Amino acid sequence: DSGVTQTPKHLITATGQRVTLRCSPRSGDLSVYWYQQSLDQGLQFLIQYYNGEERAKGNILERFSAQQFPDLHSELNLSSLELGDSALYFCASSVAPPLTSVVKAGYNEQFFGPGTRLTVL
Amino acid sequence: AQSVSQHNHHVILSEAASLELGCNYSYGGTVNLFWYVQYPGQHLQLLLKYFSGDPLVKGIKGFEAEFIKSKFSFNLRKPSVQWSDTAEYFCAVLLYGNNRLAFGKGNQVVVIP
Repeated sequence: DSGVTQTPKHLITATGQRVTLRCSPRSGDLSVYWYQQSLDQGLQFLIQYYNGEERAKGNILERFSAQQFPDLHSELNLSSLELGDSALYFCASSVAPPLTSVVKAGYNEQFFGPGTRLTVL
Repeated sequence: AQSVSQHNHHVILSEAASLELGCNYSYGGTVNLFWYVQYPGQHLQLLLKYFSGDPLVKGIKGFEAEFIKSKFSFNLRKPSVQWSDTAEYFCAVLLYGNNRLAFGKGNQVVVIP
């Protein structure tokens, strides 16, 4: 158990719908990351939040959005769902982003949650 | 383009055989390197990591990896695999100053009893 929790575990929905995936980071971790794992694309970084603010964006579609709340949990919102959005969505957390001058062991380690399996029919 | 490459996506071997999975990356700056494992139906778990120092790092479950900077490689090894090592293995690179993990496509390893 990594200490990162994600809900729900499974989600089945129809095309055109909107869903919200939730992630609670490990206690003390300020950064939350979202990744998508699909058969064709592999593991892709979507977006990162640090202490409530967006820090980095990856291959995230405009139909997708995320936010991190004051209690540090994060939600990933997927809208106008398409068949191709079916995937495993992972959340990860880490203590802090890398320091600019020194890389400290442990700061860059990301701990992954169990994932939410989204099936779009 | 910057990337992480893992070859031989599917690996099948017998118990007690040795395992080596290759990982090459194309980033030129300082990197942190990781190997994650995903057992069937489970989430990603960290096997080992390299930040600095000794380029030969030892992880959990008897795995080790060697960072060769000149070859931009971080190959994973295990001298003698067990059936329980059946899993998918992902190499990941974290760029210094960047927070995103870049993953390779993964190696699906099947160990036959």
